[in-house]
Amino acid sequence: DGGITQSPKYLFRKEGQNVTLSCEQNLNHDAMYWYRQDPGQGLRLIYYSQIVNDFQKGDIAEGYSVSREKKESFPLTVTSAQKNPTAFYLCASSPQGREGTDTQYFGPGTRLTVL
Amino acid sequence: GQNIDQPTEMTATEGAIVQINCTYQTSGFNGLFWYQQHAGEAPTFLSYNVLDGLEEKGRFSSFLSRSKGYSYLLLKELQMKDSASYLCAVFNQGGKLIFGQGTELSVKP
Repeated sequence: DGGITQSPKYLFRKEGQNVTLSCEQNLNHDAMYWYRQDPGQGLRLIYYSQIVNDFQKGDIAEGYSVSREKKESFPLTVTSAQKNPTAFYLCASSPQGREGTDTQYFGPGTRLTVL
Repeated sequence: GQNIDQPTEMTATEGAIVQINCTYQTSGFNGLFWYQQHAGEAPTFLSYNVLDGLEEKGRFSSFLSRSKGYSYLLLKELQMKDSASYLCAVFNQGGKLIFGQGTELSVKP
């Protein structure tokens, strides 16, 4: 059963702690993405990766870091430098990541709350 | 700048037809997507338009006019399960997907 998984669904952390959100896909997609969703706002791109061992900053990369050591996995670390980390985080993947041609498919999301 | 506008909220009656509009101003255009998102869940793909005109897929249709920077999503024979947020997103020239804030649709009995 192919798809994108994110874990955990809900995550609570204390202020000042780093936290890593998991994203795995078994769709054999080349490209993966991380978005953040806040109430009343559209999804905003944090980081994306079009191929293993390569990734680029999106529009709001400050305070976040990623790695892409395997095609299937694209974990996101929310660092203590992120000023307002409480949000709904969505991971997505697309087959080839070429400009303007690929549909992105989303995982179920992780809701992070920083106390 | 890059801007995608959709109405924040809409209400419609079960069995009716509703049209959700989206206007966009982006740096280049490589296609427009509509996604459906139920509360607390992942967005799911509904449609993709890259050429002008109407694309029909069952109860859902999507229209694009590139010269007007305008799209709409048409939902027919509304069902209660269609209550969700509908996201309009445009691929810009840089290959990034730019999202609108979403339209929250409430379907009433």
